[in-house]
Amino acid sequence: EAQVTQNPRYLITVTGKKLTVTCSQNMNHEYMSWYRQDPGLGLRQIYYSMNVEVTDKGDVPEGYKVSRKEKRNFPLILESPSPNQTSLYFCASSPETSGKNEQFFGPGTRLTVL
Amino acid sequence: DAKTTQPNSMESNEEEPVHLPCNHSTISGTDYIHWYRQLPSQGPEYVIHGLTSNVNNRMASLAIAEDRKSSTLILHRATLRDAAVYYCILIQGAQKLVFGQGTRLTINP
Repeated sequence: EAQVTQNPRYLITVTGKKLTVTCSQNMNHEYMSWYRQDPGLGLRQIYYSMNVEVTDKGDVPEGYKVSRKEKRNFPLILESPSPNQTSLYFCASSPETSGKNEQFFGPGTRLTVL
Repeated sequence: DAKTTQPNSMESNEEEPVHLPCNHSTISGTDYIHWYRQLPSQGPEYVIHGLTSNVNNRMASLAIAEDRKSSTLILHRATLRDAAVYYCILIQGAQKLVFGQGTRLTINP
């Protein structure tokens, strides 16, 4: 089944403890991205990647890192999480970078930073 | 980034058609118009997209104005499962999706 998977789905952690949220797609998509969703602010893009080893900042990249060493994986790294990074995170992928194709979203990761 | 404007909320009855409007007066010639929806506790789900011509798929229809400054998502026969937040988004180039607040659609039984 074609899908985008994220792990973990739920995470409660403490300030400053490094964490990684994994994202994987099995559709051989070139484009992947991360969003966070907060009440009243909607979905905002954190980082995106147009292909292996090609990443760029979205609207809210501060406090996050990403890597794209393989086409299928696009992990989101929080080196030193803070409470303002408590949010619902979504990973998405798409076949290529034009607007011709739909984006496929993962199920979401709910992160709480205490 | 080109912006879209949608009503905050709309309400309809089950089995009736629903027309969700979106204004995008600053759209550029290469922007695709995409619609996504988000059901409670789920990730956004693709609904439909188009460039200039009207589009139909199994989920919905997309009617695009001739000047492309507005579009309408049409759900032909709404069901309770169509209750969601619907986002109208313009996409070009690097596929940066800029989500607005969307329209919260309520379907009455």
